[in-house]
Amino acid sequence: VQLVESGGGLVQPGGSLRLYCAASGFTFSTFAMSWVRQAPGKGPEWVSGISNSGSNTYYADSVKGRFTISRDNSKDTLYLQMNSLRAEDTAVYYCASDVDMVKVRGFDYWGHGTLVTVSS
Amino acid sequence: QSALTQPASVSGSPGQSITISCTGTSSDVGGYDYVSWYQQHPGKAPKPMIYDVSNRASGVSNRFSGSKSGNTASLTISGLQAEDEADYYCSSYANSNTLVFGGGTTVTVL
Repeated sequence: VQLVESGGGLVQPGGSLRLYCAASGFTFSTFAMSWVRQAPGKGPEWVSGISNSGSNTYYADSVKGRFTISRDNSKDTLYLQMNSLRAEDTAVYYCASDVDMVKVRGFDYWGHGTLVTVSS
Repeated sequence: QSALTQPASVSGSPGQSITISCTGTSSDVGGYDYVSWYQQHPGKAPKPMIYDVSNRASGVSNRFSGSKSGNTASLTISGLQAEDEADYYCSSYANSNTLVFGGGTTVTVL
C-alpha cells in the first residue's frame, strides 16, 4: 500500500491550495479516506473525511466552509481543496485510509505527508 | 470537538509494562468502540498500532494491547524495548461523523 501526497507549498494568508493523494496497492474505492494535519511540534488533528463512494463528506469545525474534500475512484486519487487559508493552517498534511467503508473510524495506512506553510 | 486527554509522558525500564490512558466523553470514547492508537517517531508519519479498541494493526507486535472502560481507553506496552520510545496518540470516532485525537504521550525507556 502506498499513499503519496503532493501539492503542498508556501501560500499567502487568504490564498488557496489543492492537495493530492495518489493511492496504490489496494482497492481505493472500497475504503473511506481522510486528511489529517500536524502542526510543528503538535499532535495530529483530523481535518476531513470522505466515504468510499464520495457521497458522504465530513469536516472538522476548524475547516468547515473553507476546505473541500473529494475523490476520483477512477484515478485512485484523493483531493483537498483549501481556500481562505490562515496562518494556523500551517502543518504537514497526511492522507490516510480508513478501516471503514463509510465513516471515519480509524486509519490503517498513512502517507508521508506534504507541508503547507501559510505566511506572507 | 475537544481533544482526548492523555498523560504528557510515561516512562519505564526495559522489560517492564506501561499503560497509557486516553480519556474522553460519552460522545466519543465512551459511546463507540472505535478507539485507535498510533505510534510516531520523530520526523515520521504516525504508524497504526491498534484499531477498534483492541485489534492490532497488521504487523504490530503482540506486546501492544488495547482496552476500554467507560470513557477511558488504554494502551499497554509489555516487555518494553528501546525501540518503543516514541510519541503515542489515541483517536476516537465522535458524534456527527468526526474524529478526535488525543494530545499525545511521550514514552521514555529508561
